[in-house]
Amino acid sequence: NAGVTQTPKFQVLKTGQSMTLQCAQDMNHNSMYWYRQDPGMGLRLIYYSASEGTTDKGEVPNGYNVSRLNKREFSLRLESAAPSQTSVYFCASSGPRTAYSNQPQHFGDGTRLSIL
Amino acid sequence: GQQLNQSPQSMFIQEGEDVSMNCTSSSIFNTWLWYKQDPGEGPVLLIALYKAGELTSNGRLTAQFGITRKDSFLNISASIPSDVGIYFCAGPPIRGSQGNLIFGKGTKLSVKP
Repeated sequence: NAGVTQTPKFQVLKTGQSMTLQCAQDMNHNSMYWYRQDPGMGLRLIYYSASEGTTDKGEVPNGYNVSRLNKREFSLRLESAAPSQTSVYFCASSGPRTAYSNQPQHFGDGTRLSIL
Repeated sequence: GQQLNQSPQSMFIQEGEDVSMNCTSSSIFNTWLWYKQDPGEGPVLLIALYKAGELTSNGRLTAQFGITRKDSFLNISASIPSDVGIYFCAGPPIRGSQGNLIFGKGTKLSVKP
């Protein structure tokens, strides 16, 4: 069972370059998320998609775009990379929220992105 | 906005010792989640709490959902070297939540053999 798969695992970019981070889940989850993790900051939500065809901004969306390609895949795009976007990026997915609780999120292993 | 405050930020303990960490908020959460992150990997869910006062165990780990719904704690008994990692608490914001989570900044645990 692969769970949440992120590609690539590592990437180095030059300032101004563009890049798309890929994420796919095989758990038939409705919701998918992109986070960034910086030292001492925990995980901060960039964008999320509650269901196929919808996307919403999270806490730190500036400089990013997302595409929910289908139920399985949710990509994150940096149109013009900046050094401040050097970070570890995590994709996550979760099942549908019920009237009583939120389903826990399951995470991929991350993409380590360095922008020079 | 809602924030989660985790303490301590880091802990250095001897193998075999018990560990306690907590998470507090100024606002109410309806769900508390505890994750562990090993170096170079994504966070992995340890325990999920859905009801105020709930006490749940997962092996040597025990977590409680505070009665006020503004806090939660995680205890690890008889720590071992593989407990090393960063522990995060998380919960869904009350307003506008569509499953997204707010995370604490983590407690980094180091265990000396």
